[in-house]
Amino acid sequence: EAAVTQSPRNKVTVTGGNVTLSCRQTNSHNYMYWYRQDTGHGLRLIHYSYGAGNLQIGDVPDGYKATRTTQEDFFLLLELASPSQTSLYFCASSGTEGSDYTFGSGTRLLVI
Amino acid sequence: GDSVTQTEGLVTLTEGLPVMLNCTYQTIYSNPFLFWYVHYLNESPRLLLKSSTDNKRTEHQGFHATLHKSSSSFHLQKSSAQLSDSALYYCALSDALFNTGNYKYVFGAGTRLKVIA
Repeated sequence: EAAVTQSPRNKVTVTGGNVTLSCRQTNSHNYMYWYRQDTGHGLRLIHYSYGAGNLQIGDVPDGYKATRTTQEDFFLLLELASPSQTSLYFCASSGTEGSDYTFGSGTRLLVI
Repeated sequence: GDSVTQTEGLVTLTEGLPVMLNCTYQTIYSNPFLFWYVHYLNESPRLLLKSSTDNKRTEHQGFHATLHKSSSSFHLQKSSAQLSDSALYYCALSDALFNTGNYKYVFGAGTRLKVIA
């Protein structure tokens, strides 16, 4: 079954710490996205990619890096985590224009 | 740039009453795709409805919406709210530039629907 799998489900790190969030999709989709979800702001796009090696900057990219190593795998990197990055992170994939997003189950990150 | 505006914050309804969650959008594209996603607690957001056809009603799981390009609206409706409809609802607009690889959604801020007995 096609899916988007995120890991870890929960993560706690200290301010200044290094965090990598992982996302793998088995949908054969070209597009992958990282969003953060915060009350009052909804889903905000951090970075996205339309293929291995490609990276596009989203709407709230500051403090985040991303890398798309294969068509299946998309990573979000926080190299100096800050409390403002405490959030629920979703990865999603999609096919062509107008097609649906398939979301992962989310990673809850707490930066203390 | 493109934007999506939804009914703000929390909507609380008594079970059995009709649901209407507003969504309006702004875009430079003449043929946008509009979507409604539903996010239940502890689950992943999932597609509820989508449309790109002007003035055509789209239905799924008791919900319906009609894209009206004249008013740039795609309101979500249901005739009778159920307790199980309690969730966070997102309206989204596809922001696509043909053949540039720049395809992404623009999401609204989300509307939390709480249905009470």
